[in-house]
Amino acid sequence: QVQLQESGPGLVKPSETLSLTCAVSGYSISSAYYWGWIRQPPGKGLEWIGSIYHSGSSIYNPSLKSRVTLSLDTSKNHFSLSLSSVTAADTAVYYCARHLGYSSGWGDYWGQGTLVTVSS
Amino acid sequence: QSVLTQPPSVSAAPGQKVTISCSGSSSNIEDNYVSWYQQLPGTAPKLLIYDNNKRPSGIPDRFSGSNSGTSATLGITGLQTGDEADYYCGTWDSSLSAYVFGAGTKVTVL
Repeated sequence: QVQLQESGPGLVKPSETLSLTCAVSGYSISSAYYWGWIRQPPGKGLEWIGSIYHSGSSIYNPSLKSRVTLSLDTSKNHFSLSLSSVTAADTAVYYCARHLGYSSGWGDYWGQGTLVTVSS
Repeated sequence: QSVLTQPPSVSAAPGQKVTISCSGSSSNIEDNYVSWYQQLPGTAPKLLIYDNNKRPSGIPDRFSGSNSGTSATLGITGLQTGDEADYYCGTWDSSLSAYVFGAGTKVTVL
């Protein structure tokens, strides 16, 4: 059974960098699939942040691209998100998820989510 | 403002059927696969339908997906109290070069 688990600080100061990791078990992230990040501000809808392919290439939401960096660590079977220059608008539950293609097989496995609050 | 338009809410009595629409354009729904997600309160989204009309293992056939042109529809038959949740559609938008979600539809079982 594939499982994804997000981890990282729950509180980040404005202007600093938000860093999260998604640990994957039950599947090798280097084998196939895109590994993505999605966020959900409190009481609002879902927003795709970006995804990294098993080969290491990435695709980003143009609205966040200038602030986002994704990476893979195949030795630890996890992937990571860095979001720079955060503001209160970046406060959200952050989810990681898996998808097969740009639109196909999207989100068959999700992490349980982690709340990140941006505040001084 | 999402490029995918969903009704804010739908409701029906137990045992009845509801449909949730997701309206888009030629650059998203018409050109790419649509997925549907169920989000129960306080939990992560769960995939209900992928590639327009396929159900993952374990998803009952009470849930169905269909597409027609620039619109997609999720159908839920035999409505149960456990179906009360937010439902989101999602697809790739070729013009935006981004995966986009609808704003979500809250299903209420009367």
